[in-house]
Amino acid sequence: DSGVTQTPKHLITATGQRVTLRCSPRSGDLSVYWYQQSLDQGLQFLIQYYNGEERAKGNILERFSAQQFPDLHSELNLSSLELGDSALYFCASSFDNEQFFGPGTRLTVL
Amino acid sequence: EDQVTQSPEALRLQEGESSSLNCSYTVSGLRGLFWYRQDPGKGPEFLFTLYSAGEEKEKERLKATLTKKESFLHITAPKPEDSATYLCAVQARNNDMRFGAGTRLTVKP
Repeated sequence: DSGVTQTPKHLITATGQRVTLRCSPRSGDLSVYWYQQSLDQGLQFLIQYYNGEERAKGNILERFSAQQFPDLHSELNLSSLELGDSALYFCASSFDNEQFFGPGTRLTVL
Repeated sequence: EDQVTQSPEALRLQEGESSSLNCSYTVSGLRGLFWYRQDPGKGPEFLFTLYSAGEEKEKERLKATLTKKESFLHITAPKPEDSATYLCAVQARNNDMRFGAGTRLTVKP
């Protein structure tokens, strides 16, 4: 158990819908990272927040957005969902460079 | 563009048969190179961070090394429980993280 929690574990929705994924980092970790993992793309870095501020941006689509709240938990919002957005979404947290990953949210878009 | 290439894609070993996994990278300003282990359906598990060429780190049967262009993950006398996908990632100066596709390791008893 990494200490990072993600909810929900599974999410099934329809194209065009909007969903919110939630991540609680390990106690004391200020950074939160979001990743998307699909079979054909591998693990893709989406975005990093540090103590509430956006620090780095990867391959995040404009339909996706994230934020980190004062209690350091983070949410990833995915809108106008497409079939290709079906994937595992991981959150990771870190105090320095060592990232600890959560168990992931499996998103299925039908 | 930052890029990470891992080889081989898959590796099958007999228990006790040592081998190495390769991670070749190009990055604009390396902040760190990371190795992770991932079991099916689970999140990656951190193994090592390497920061500069010549650096080496060890943990149980695993040893990671780094040069200016590549990193190796050496597995000595592997056991079946070492079976997993091993991921390499680089973090660039702008904090962008780039992962390789992974090496799927199977260790047979």
